[in-house]
Amino acid sequence: KNEVEQSPQNLTAQEGEFITINCSYSVGISALHWLQQHPGGGIVSLFMLSSGKKKHGRLIATINIQEKHSSLHITASHPRDSAVYICAFLLQGAQKLVFGQGTRLTINP
Amino acid sequence: DTGVSQDPRHKITKRGQNVTFRCDPISEHNRLYWYRQTLGQGPEFLTYFQNEAQLEKSRLLSDRFSAERPKGSFSTLEIQRTEQGDSAMYLCASSLWAGGETDTQYFGPGTRLTVL
Repeated sequence: KNEVEQSPQNLTAQEGEFITINCSYSVGISALHWLQQHPGGGIVSLFMLSSGKKKHGRLIATINIQEKHSSLHITASHPRDSAVYICAFLLQGAQKLVFGQGTRLTINP
Repeated sequence: DTGVSQDPRHKITKRGQNVTFRCDPISEHNRLYWYRQTLGQGPEFLTYFQNEAQLEKSRLLSDRFSAERPKGSFSTLEIQRTEQGDSAMYLCASSLWAGGETDTQYFGPGTRLTVL
C-alpha cells in the first residue's frame, strides 16, 4: 500500500481555470511539502506546512492533519504553471522526504 | 547566494563503467540529501548527511553505490559497475537544520544518468 497518493496523475486545463491537486497520506507526518518540477528536472519547493493554510501569490496550500489530506490550488492558471507538482512529507521522527508520484499539469493558452 | 549545484548535468555511460557525481550545497547548509528519480515517478530517498556524517542510507543504495561528504561541504555519489537500471535523475538537496523537527530542503538541478 502506498503511503502517499496524489490525484489526478495528469491534469489539462485552459488558461485562467482554478486548479486543485490533491495529496492523501496514510501515516503520521511532521510536515508536508509541495514541490514544483519543470522539464529538465529542477525542483523548487513551493510550500512547507504542518497545519492550516499558506498562500503565496496565486498558489494556496492547505492541510488537514486529522483527515491526512492536503491540497494545492492555483488561481488564474497560466501556461507557465505547466509542470509536475509533487507532494512530499516527513514521517514523524524521520529526516527524509517521502514523495508522491506527482501530478503533471498542462495549462493551455 | 548560489543555490545547490550539481555536476555533471548529464552523463551517458556504458554498462559496467563507474560514474561519480558531485553536489555542492548552499553554503553553511549542514544537511545534504541524495535522491533518485526514475521516469514518471517521484523521487526516492537514497541517503543523507549531517555535516560529514552519513546518518541514513536507503535499502535502495546497494553496495555498488557509495556517497561521501568528506569535509561537510560538497558531496560525491559514486556508482560502480553501472547497470541499465541505474538510469535515472540523481537529485541533491541541502538544508539548514537547526534542531527542530522540520527543515526546508533546497534542490539542485539534478544529474541525468543514462546507462547504455
